[in-house]
Amino acid sequence: AQSVAQPEDQVNVAEGNPLTVKCTYSVSGNPYLFWYVQYPNRGLQFLLKYITGDNLVKGSYGFEAEFNKSQTSFHLKKPSALVSDSALYFCAVIPASGTYKYIFGTGTRLKVLA
Amino acid sequence: NAGVTQTPKFRILKIGQSMTLQCTQDMNHNYMYWYRQDPGMGLKLIYYSVGAGITDKGEVPNGYNVSRSTTEDFPLRLELAAPSQTSVYFCASSYVSSGANVLTFGAGSRLTVL
Repeated sequence: AQSVAQPEDQVNVAEGNPLTVKCTYSVSGNPYLFWYVQYPNRGLQFLLKYITGDNLVKGSYGFEAEFNKSQTSFHLKKPSALVSDSALYFCAVIPASGTYKYIFGTGTRLKVLA
Repeated sequence: NAGVTQTPKFRILKIGQSMTLQCTQDMNHNYMYWYRQDPGMGLKLIYYSVGAGITDKGEVPNGYNVSRSTTEDFPLRLELAAPSQTSVYFCASSYVSSGANVLTFGAGSRLTVL
């Protein structure tokens, strides 16, 4: 079965430190990969996506993600965390076979401590 | 530009009651979706639509119905509400032509069935 795994329910990081939120996927072919962020009582917002090309993708709010095909991973990173980055982060994939059916991970709660 | 608008934001239902969650988008997106979000479970697709007059089931359609009479509107109807339908519901839309499509989400509707 096709799936997306976010192995950490919660990640804590001190403000100013680099952060990483992990994502691995199990999907056949060459999927499209996404990160979305959800702030309290809000809908999900798009952060970045990988379709093809450079393995390092830059997105909104200083976030970036690194695609690793051999490890089937798409980890979200930021060089210096802000308290305002505290939110719920979702990794998602669209299998190459379809352009509309997302598979979402279960989410990782990021807490940035002042 | 309002994006995706969902109403109501909160609702409490008794077992067996029915209700409709409204969703409207003003971006002329062709695809629309309904997801439910349960704690620790990520997002599950309930129904989706690829255009006016066309709808299809997602992963968890039982107990729900949808219609898409216009491009803008995609209401979700709950018939005979059950406690298992207690959840946060998100409507989303996207423009799909080719390649990966980015979802725009509404703010969500929190439903409690007692």
